[in-house]
Amino acid sequence: AQSVTQLGSHVSVSEGALVLLRCNYSSSVPPYLFWYVQYPNQGLQLLLKYTTGATLVKGINGFEAEFKKSETSFHLTKPSAHMSDAAEYFCAAAGNTPLVFGKGTRLSVIA
Amino acid sequence: EAEVAQSPRYKITEKSQAVAFWCDPISGHATLYWYRQILGQGPELLVQFQDESVVDDSQLPKDRFSAERLKGVDSTLKIQPAELGDSAMYLCASSGAGQSSNTEAFFGQGTRLTVV
Repeated sequence: AQSVTQLGSHVSVSEGALVLLRCNYSSSVPPYLFWYVQYPNQGLQLLLKYTTGATLVKGINGFEAEFKKSETSFHLTKPSAHMSDAAEYFCAAAGNTPLVFGKGTRLSVIA
Repeated sequence: EAEVAQSPRYKITEKSQAVAFWCDPISGHATLYWYRQILGQGPELLVQFQDESVVDDSQLPKDRFSAERLKGVDSTLKIQPAELGDSAMYLCASSGAGQSSNTEAFFGQGTRLTVV
């Protein structure tokens, strides 16, 4: 069975600082990997996805993630945090099963 | 821009009452999902439809929850009777691809259920 682990339920960064949100997956086959963002009382919006091909994936709002098969990781980064990035971020995996989500990481951005 | 429509956005109900949520997926999307998201946690799949057929309802508490997608378009999720532990966000999503897919699922705004 597929599982997704997000390290750190809450990450706090200063405005302009690097954002790093960690995600590891457990799968017997290479999965398809996704990062979603959720604002309070809203649905989930796709930031980026990895399917096949280039392992460095660029998404919306300046976010990117790198698929590292050897580390079973798909960490999300952004070079410079903005106040509007404050939200809940979910890593998810699909493949032989529908989307399985991690527990989420709440990102706070300090002015 | 096409989007997944859900209603109501918010619902407060007393325990032991019945409650229903509605979802209209993006036009042409054959796959529809219902997820439950408890506060502070990630979404968990309740049921997946492919057209009008249930593909996966292994996590659906069938003693009180039911879901249908009669014409393979919109869908209804029902809880009867509601319990305090059912308080959560119920998210509907749709996808244009099949059961296991590399294409994204598009999510609606969700229905926030509070059981009192």
